[in-house]
Amino acid sequence: DTGVSQNPRHKITKRGQNVTFRCDPISEHNRLYWYRQTLGQGPEFLTYFQNEAQLEKSRLLSDRFSAERPKGSFSTLEIQRTEQGDSAMYLCASSLIPGSGNTIYFGEGSWLTVV
Amino acid sequence: AQSVSQHNHHVILSEAASLELGCNYSYGGTVNLFWYVQYPGQHLQLLLKYFSGDPLVKGIKGFEAEFIKSKFSFNLRKPSVQWSDTAEYFCAVMPYSGNTPLVFGKGTRLSVIA
Repeated sequence: DTGVSQNPRHKITKRGQNVTFRCDPISEHNRLYWYRQTLGQGPEFLTYFQNEAQLEKSRLLSDRFSAERPKGSFSTLEIQRTEQGDSAMYLCASSLIPGSGNTIYFGEGSWLTVV
Repeated sequence: AQSVSQHNHHVILSEAASLELGCNYSYGGTVNLFWYVQYPGQHLQLLLKYFSGDPLVKGIKGFEAEFIKSKFSFNLRKPSVQWSDTAEYFCAVMPYSGNTPLVFGKGTRLSVIA
């Protein structure tokens, strides 16, 4: 399967713990996006990278959240000192540079439950 | 900033009924428009997209959408739904430049009953 790969698929953690999610985009895709989705809502943008540069961060991305894409390939999203409100599905997506008809492909998501 | 409104939260249809899901967006410039589908337990998949040209776009599984620029709308249609179309449908918009991320609507849950 050469789609967007995310792991772990599910994570249950205690409040206050740190968690890290990994995303492997489709090979050669230079854009990588992180979104968050809660039940009954559409995906909400968190941040995106073009190659290794983080170009935009949403206001939803508090100081406890950090994302990296060190070599312009895979990316990690870390949440420090998790809170119950962080419980959601974290989606990763990738594309070639959009605006020229390129599709954004989504991974299966990483479910986070904070107890 | 752009935004997307999907008017129907939950739609229930019988098999073979026709479907139309509304989507309106707010953005003053040229846009790219998308419909994604999320089947139960699966990831978001692209149904269809509009970038330019013919405003009537055909996608997979018999879906189509019409871009009406004057109404800022991009409604999704299917003439005859099947039970397997039960899913969540998301409309999304991105400015044509591609320099701002995809913005999604809240989604419409479609339940097709036999």
